[in-house]
Amino acid sequence: NAGVTQTPKFQVLKTGQSMTLQCAQDMNHNSMYWYRQDPGMGLRLIYYSASEGTTDKGEVPNGYNVSRLNKREFSLRLESAAPSQTSVYFCASKGTGGPTDTQYFGPGTRLTVL
Amino acid sequence: SQKIEQNSEALNIQEGKTATLTCNYTNYSPAYLQWYRQDPGRGPVFLLLIRENEKEKRKERLKVTFDTTLKQSLFHITASQPADSATYLCALSRRRSNDYKLSFGAGTTVTVRA
Repeated sequence: NAGVTQTPKFQVLKTGQSMTLQCAQDMNHNSMYWYRQDPGMGLRLIYYSASEGTTDKGEVPNGYNVSRLNKREFSLRLESAAPSQTSVYFCASKGTGGPTDTQYFGPGTRLTVL
Repeated sequence: SQKIEQNSEALNIQEGKTATLTCNYTNYSPAYLQWYRQDPGRGPVFLLLIRENEKEKRKERLKVTFDTTLKQSLFHITASQPADSATYLCALSRRRSNDYKLSFGAGTTVTVRA
């Protein structure tokens, strides 16, 4: 099993450009998440999807959109990138909605917006 | 406002000693608390989970305590090794809407000297 995969690994954008970060998991998990991680701050939840066909906002959703394409894939889109969106983005998945489920993280996408 | 605070300073210890990391939280009533390990350039990896009604949990050289009165968790690495060098994140699990979500601290970086 590959677990959680993310593409691309690195990306540099200019302000105003758009892009989509891709995430896929092969563990048949229901829940998927997008986080951003900035220096000195914890992982912050951007959007999540508790099951196929549903998405909800997390703590910092402004400037982002998501699509749960199917059970395996959950993408994050930046429509008009801003320097404040320079960060490391992690996708994660979790088996069920249970409280003891742990999250499995991808390797991250390092995004720089100039 | 809700806060999760981990040791603000990085921890440097000698091989063989015990590393103790602190996670304090305010304005949360977590059902569960999890600890993750993150290596540079990688996503977090789950280590241990402890429930609110448990005082202590162990896994090999790792020990976690959870004091809901003090609103604090302690994470111990005994007989530390250079391979234990990493950033350790605590995360509180709470039920929100249709899923249990994690809120993360900023992490404590541990360096074990040989």
